[in-house]
Amino acid sequence: ETGVTQSPTHLIKTRGQQVTLRCSSQSGHNTVSWYQQALGQGPQFIFQYYREEENGRGNFPPRFSGLQFPNYSSELNVNALELDDSALYLCASSPPLDSWALVFGSGTRLTVV
Amino acid sequence: GENVEQHPSTLSVQEGDSAVIKCTYSDSASNYFPWYKQELGKRPQLIIDIRSNVGEKKDQRIAVTLNKTAKHFSLHITETQPEDSAVYFCAASSAGGTSYGKLTFGQGTILTVHP
Repeated sequence: ETGVTQSPTHLIKTRGQQVTLRCSSQSGHNTVSWYQQALGQGPQFIFQYYREEENGRGNFPPRFSGLQFPNYSSELNVNALELDDSALYLCASSPPLDSWALVFGSGTRLTVV
Repeated sequence: GENVEQHPSTLSVQEGDSAVIKCTYSDSASNYFPWYKQELGKRPQLIIDIRSNVGEKKDQRIAVTLNKTAKHFSLHITETQPEDSAVYFCAASSAGGTSYGKLTFGQGTILTVHP
């Protein structure tokens, strides 16, 4: 309904493992952003992609990486998972007629044990 | 970088009362200020936003005011209803060009509306 879908909805990983989270936006949403929301906190900007290139990055280490594909889908990859990576990961994009309004997907709840 | 402070962290009101949440920001280049509502276990939903070229915007029971000189903006909800209960986040951004996706969020306000 929002035009932004994420998968999976929940995921449990072990410390040290790698994880890939996926996001799909509607056609025309050229910009996609990823956010990390720890429990009880506001979302924190990880990075943004525009036309398949990284276009801004927040204060996250290089083990957080991403990809954006021509079909408006994108991935967030996290290597060497740490316990503190447990969070809700949100993907967001902007409708082409209102680029200012960021629309979030429902998120992926990642638990690292 | 931008820093956004949000107050109060919790707010409890009676149904029908008004609720006000305030945010301050640090980066004078910020020009876009959205407010998001997040219900438990759900995604943040944009409820209202304001751009730096206006001082106030209203949408039914919700209004946002912006004071660029003081670098603060506020969310006003009138005639509150129990379904307004949620976590509210303010955010700031220096949007433009291809950089629309980077928002700096406040810490959130848990609003509880008692019937």
